[in-house]
Amino acid sequence: SQTIHQWPATLVQPVGSPLSLECTVEGTSNPNLYWYRQAAGRGLQLLFYSVGIGQISSEVPQNLSASRPQDRQFILSSKKLLLSDSGFYLCAWSVAAWGPYEQYFGPGTRLTVT
Amino acid sequence: GQSLEQPSEVTAVEGAIVQINCTYQTSGFYGLSWYQQHDGGAPTFLSYNALDGLEETGRFSSFLSRSDSYGYLLLQELQMKDSASYFCAVSLNSGGYQKVTFGTGTKLQVIP
Repeated sequence: SQTIHQWPATLVQPVGSPLSLECTVEGTSNPNLYWYRQAAGRGLQLLFYSVGIGQISSEVPQNLSASRPQDRQFILSSKKLLLSDSGFYLCAWSVAAWGPYEQYFGPGTRLTVT
Repeated sequence: GQSLEQPSEVTAVEGAIVQINCTYQTSGFYGLSWYQQHDGGAPTFLSYNALDGLEETGRFSSFLSRSDSYGYLLLQELQMKDSASYFCAVSLNSGGYQKVTFGTGTKLQVIP
C-alpha cells in the first residue's frame, strides 16, 4: 500500500531563518507531487507541483522553492522565512495519469514563523 | 483565471440530509472532486465526477453539471463525525497534465 510521510510535524522558526520541509512517498512510482499551504481556517493554496524528477512548476511567486531530487522525494525550502509563511503545509501525491483524480495527502507540517 | 465558490458554513441536524454546493469558472475543466478535512487533520478524498450526473458512495453522493459549471456534495443520515470542512476541487488540463485547484471550503457543523 502507498504511504506518504512528512516531517517535521510542527516547527517554530524565527523570521529570516531558512526552511526545509521534506515529503516522501512509498509504494508507488512516478507520482505527481504537490505542495500546498493552508492558512488557519482557509482553503488550500497550491504552491508547487512536479510531474517528474527535477520538474517543478511554481504556482505562486514567493520566497519559497521546491526540489524533487528523487522520484518519491519532494522538498520545500526557503532561504529567509517571512511572517506570512506561517501555515499548515501539506504534501500530496497522485497517480500520474488521467481519470479519477484522487490526491493523497500527508499528515502536514504546522509552521509558525515568529 | 479560475474561481470556485462554495458556502463558508453550513449547520445541519444529526440524521438529516445536507447539500453543499460548488460553482466554478475555469478553462480546461476535466473533473470535480470533493475532500473532507477534520480540524487539525489532512484532507481526504471523498468523490470525483468527470461526467454529468450523480455518483453515490455510501452516505455521500456527488453531482456534476458541466453545462452549468455546478456541482454538489450530498451527505445523508448525518452523523456527528461528519462535522468537518468540505472542499470542492476542479481538475484542470494544464499543459497536458492534470492539476487540481481547491475551493475555500465549507465548514459543516452537525448538531444533535
